[in-house]
Amino acid sequence: GAVVSQHPSWVICKSGTSVKIECRSLDFQATTMFWYRQFPKQSLMLMATSNEGSKATYEQGVEKDKFLINHASLTLSTLTVTSAHPEDSSFYICSARWPGVQPQHFGDGTRLSIL
Amino acid sequence: TQLLEQSPQFLSIQEGENLTVYCNSSSVFSSLQWYRQEPGEGPVLLVTVVTGGEVKKLKRLTFQFGDARKDSSLHITAAQPGDTGLYLCAGAPYNQGGKLIFGQGTELSVKP
Repeated sequence: GAVVSQHPSWVICKSGTSVKIECRSLDFQATTMFWYRQFPKQSLMLMATSNEGSKATYEQGVEKDKFLINHASLTLSTLTVTSAHPEDSSFYICSARWPGVQPQHFGDGTRLSIL
Repeated sequence: TQLLEQSPQFLSIQEGENLTVYCNSSSVFSSLQWYRQEPGEGPVLLVTVVTGGEVKKLKRLTFQFGDARKDSSLHITAAQPGDTGLYLCAGAPYNQGGKLIFGQGTELSVKP
């Protein structure tokens, strides 16, 4: 069964709205979670590493003020897309792994559409 | 910058044919994962390989990790329409906090 739950699966909202996406690890504690963005027919692009109890580590070119990450507990990380615009429309996927070991297990993704 | 070159990026074959997907890098990985992804869903783990030279089989899928742990291949025997999807390889570099480096993906279409 699924080991990572992501919610919501689909969001449509107006430009300027902030959108929060949740990622939960099921039945295990994940000190580290990862957030990815994926464009159609392309591979996953790592946006940031979410660390429980500390600041997220963002990849080069990813705006930390635009994509706010909070990892407040060992089973929950959230990604908030602030003041979203149409160019933020994409498929966002999170992953989590058991501490210190691979592999990463992925959520089912969130399709974000900004009108 | 660590890269994982995956090829081919697109593959359209007839049911019953065999195929191989390759992932190559100049970097050494502590492990390498293969995932399969269907439209609108997250990637699903197929296999993890850890040891250089390791071969793992999953029904009609055979995965190989290179001796130097820099490359890997996925071979599918007698492909079926249900194998259609996006196949992703992902290598885990040493000392990078569990990050994965993804290949570009292989979009496989198996026609009946």
